[in-house]
Amino acid sequence: DAKTTQPPSMDCAEGRAANLPCNHSTISGNEYVYWYRQIHSQGPQYIIHGLKNNETNEMASLIITEDRKSSTLILPHATLRDTAVYYCIVRNYGQNFVFGPGTRLSVLP
Amino acid sequence: AAGVIQSPRHLIKEKRETATLKCYPIPRHDTVYWYQQGPGQDPQFLISFYEKMQSDKGSIPDRFSAQQFSDYHSELNMSSLELGDSALYFCASTVAAIGSTYNEQFFGPGTRLTVL
Repeated sequence: DAKTTQPPSMDCAEGRAANLPCNHSTISGNEYVYWYRQIHSQGPQYIIHGLKNNETNEMASLIITEDRKSSTLILPHATLRDTAVYYCIVRNYGQNFVFGPGTRLSVLP
Repeated sequence: AAGVIQSPRHLIKEKRETATLKCYPIPRHDTVYWYQQGPGQDPQFLISFYEKMQSDKGSIPDRFSAQQFSDYHSELNMSSLELGDSALYFCASTVAAIGSTYNEQFFGPGTRLTVL
């Protein structure tokens, strides 16, 4: 079973920041937080991952709370092409990914 | 940059037939994962291979088998196909480098299998 809880859906206006929350209250010390997204039946796309520090790359920022029990994925300027299902996954090194229901993000014009 | 290649992209089979799906990982990737995604469902892990040996097993039916070859490509063999096997099948690859923190999986475009 997935170790994370995400809202089933969210809307965001185009050009605004999209903040996607994830709860992972049972995360253990060695487990990383990964974010993937899937755009309509395409292969899941890696976005970002982190252990305990906040991370940023060209796609997004990942904010992890100090107790590591929750995190937020931030897409700074959402576009229509960011409409997708976003998966927050907690995973230890080398394990397979367990995909939960994810959040269906709709970016609205 | 090179990505994961899967073939065929679409496959239509009859019940009780067999099917073989192929996955070509990103060059220098040594680990391959297979996932199944049914209609309206989330991807579910089936099986994985590291250096040609099975490394983990998920909810893969006994009718399915898989292997990884010396060139690291992998094949998923499916026999006695059932209607419920209709799904997207994704392959993902990664490098299981010791000490590396960047162990994310890169997914291929998937094979859409339809069983009639």
